[in-house]
Amino acid sequence: EIVLTQSPATLSLFPGERATLSCRASQSVSSYLGWYQQKPGQAPRLLIYDASNRATGIPARFSGSGSGTDFTLTISSLEPEDFAVYYCQQRSNWYSFGQGTKLEIK
Amino acid sequence: QVQLVQSGAEVKKPGASVKVSCKASGYTFTSYNVHWVRQAPGQGLEWMGVINPSDGSTSYAQKFQGRVTLTRDTSTSTVYMELSSLRSEDTAVYSCAVEGYSSGWPAYWGQGTLVTVSS
Repeated sequence: EIVLTQSPATLSLFPGERATLSCRASQSVSSYLGWYQQKPGQAPRLLIYDASNRATGIPARFSGSGSGTDFTLTISSLEPEDFAVYYCQQRSNWYSFGQGTKLEIK
Repeated sequence: QVQLVQSGAEVKKPGASVKVSCKASGYTFTSYNVHWVRQAPGQGLEWMGVINPSDGSTSYAQKFQGRVTLTRDTSTSTVYMELSSLRSEDTAVYSCAVEGYSSGWPAYWGQGTLVTVSS
């Protein structure tokens, strides 16, 4: 089973700042990694798939990078609506999620 | 537009089984895989399994092997998730999600179904 470890657990930033979230896999997942955003009481929203492709309707301030075992989600300039929990997911070997990073307003 | 509508909340006793439905509309039901994910209160997302509605083939997370069964009814465009031998740790919101047209990743989600396991 592939384990995904996200860091940091919590990230406190001001609106307008740049956010960098990390996801590390216990073994290579090639580029089969996605990122989701979840707000309280809502379903997850697919942001990035296959490591670096933005899903339909996702703003350009969201970008993904990485391959193999190390991946990054970057939000270039935080908007108030971006404060949420972010999960990475792999689909290289079945599917699994990371434990999440909470992005909170400083 | 793609819509997934799930059945309502359930309360079950330990040892019982629960069956949650997920009715799809707005796309060709047999063209895209449907996943099931659960989220315990205050916890993260946990992938349970996936079904191919075209042929009914399934894959399950190792943790749930032997306890979860995914089925589908093509006549009603509905997918079912049945979880047996329930325990208190299975209390969670269970959600179905269908893969997106272009991405192939779970992109459209149901509203979630709360399953509470309590004696």
